[in-house]
Amino acid sequence: QKEVEQNSGPLSVPEGAIASLNCTYSDRGSQSFFWYRQYSGKSPELIMSIYSNGDKEDGRFTAQLNKASQYVSLLIRDSQPSDSATYLCAVKDSNSGYALNFGKGTSLLVTP
Amino acid sequence: GAGVSQSPRYKVAKRGQDVALRCDPISGHVSLFWYQQALGQGPEFLTYFQNEAQLDKSGLPSDRFFAERPEGSVSTLKIQRTQQEDSAVYLCASSLEGVAQFFGPGTRLTVL
Repeated sequence: QKEVEQNSGPLSVPEGAIASLNCTYSDRGSQSFFWYRQYSGKSPELIMSIYSNGDKEDGRFTAQLNKASQYVSLLIRDSQPSDSATYLCAVKDSNSGYALNFGKGTSLLVTP
Repeated sequence: GAGVSQSPRYKVAKRGQDVALRCDPISGHVSLFWYQQALGQGPEFLTYFQNEAQLDKSGLPSDRFFAERPEGSVSTLKIQRTQQEDSAVYLCASSLEGVAQFFGPGTRLTVL
């Protein structure tokens, strides 16, 4: 079983601060990594994908990937209460090339 | 439609009943996936279709689970003789080949 580890949280940050979410994975051969946001009772919503080492920025979100350390992170700048949700890290399985292995998610709470 | 749709959104079954869950993927997406999400967990891969071909059913928990996509569009996940441990949210996702997966709203199955 390919492991994807995330702190379950909750991670609490004040409005306007930077939220930092972390994920480690065991599948050394994986080339594709995704962050999904899941509001309570809703389905996962794709917010970022990253395939190369380094940083990828999209609006207030920055994904960071370090394949050597098998580590991927998501930074949320200027956090808003509407960012309060569970953030799921997903790693594409290198054996199949299509299945996603998910972590359990980190619960983020942005307080006004 | 604009996104992945699933029906029913909620299903309550008595133990031993058969259920059928429907997924309508994004138009043009050849890849279709089913995932199972238990409370407080990340989604877990069940099965994968490319067009009408079921290429991977390694994640199906038992032979009571069956999935089909006969015309390469709509898919149905069928669970026979439901058990309490089948209670979960069943998520369908679709993608263009090799790209990120987009999830539907899910079907919440409760087995009494």
